[in-house]
Amino acid sequence: AQSVTQPDIHITVSEGASLELRCNYSYGATPYLFWYVQSPGQGLQLLLKYFSGDTLVQGIKGFEAEFKRSQSSFNLRKPSVHWSDAAEYFCAVGGYNNNDMRFGAGTRLTVKP
Amino acid sequence: EADIYQTPRYLVIGTGKKITLECSQTMGHDKMYWYQQDPGMELHLIHYSYGVNSTEKGDLSSESTVSRIRTEHFPLTLESARPSHTSQYLCATKPLLDLGPQYFGPGTRLLVL
Repeated sequence: AQSVTQPDIHITVSEGASLELRCNYSYGATPYLFWYVQSPGQGLQLLLKYFSGDTLVQGIKGFEAEFKRSQSSFNLRKPSVHWSDAAEYFCAVGGYNNNDMRFGAGTRLTVKP
Repeated sequence: EADIYQTPRYLVIGTGKKITLECSQTMGHDKMYWYQQDPGMELHLIHYSYGVNSTEKGDLSSESTVSRIRTEHFPLTLESARPSHTSQYLCATKPLLDLGPQYFGPGTRLLVL
């Protein structure tokens, strides 16, 4: 069965510092991987996705993620965090149907001034 | 502009009441989903639909029901609300023949007293 693990429940970084949010997945076939962001009281907004090809994918708001098959990881990065990036971040893995998309439990990001 | 709408955004209701959470979309997508989201937990799929007159149960046992009479509309009904139903409910859509992501509405936060 597929699953997603986000090891960090809560991360605090200073504004302007770099950020890396970890995501590990378990999936029996070729995974389709996604990162979403959720601001308080809002739904999930897609940041980026990986299907195939280049293992480094660029997303919106200056985020990028790198797919590492050997490590079953899809970590999200941003070189310089802004206060507006404070939110909850969810990693998700899906297959062809995407009815069985699985989400991690999320990582809450706090940004210190 | 294509979008996903959920109403009400917030609802406080007493035990035993019947409630319907509305989800409508102008995305033109065939697939629609309902997720339940609790703090610190992964999203749980409770219902989904491939299109008009199609409804399926997700992996989370739920006492709710759904209907899909129109492509744009996918309401979720609780016949008798209980405090255990207190949660955030997220609606999502996706094109039928697409390997891409799901797109989410803003959510309905439900509190059952």
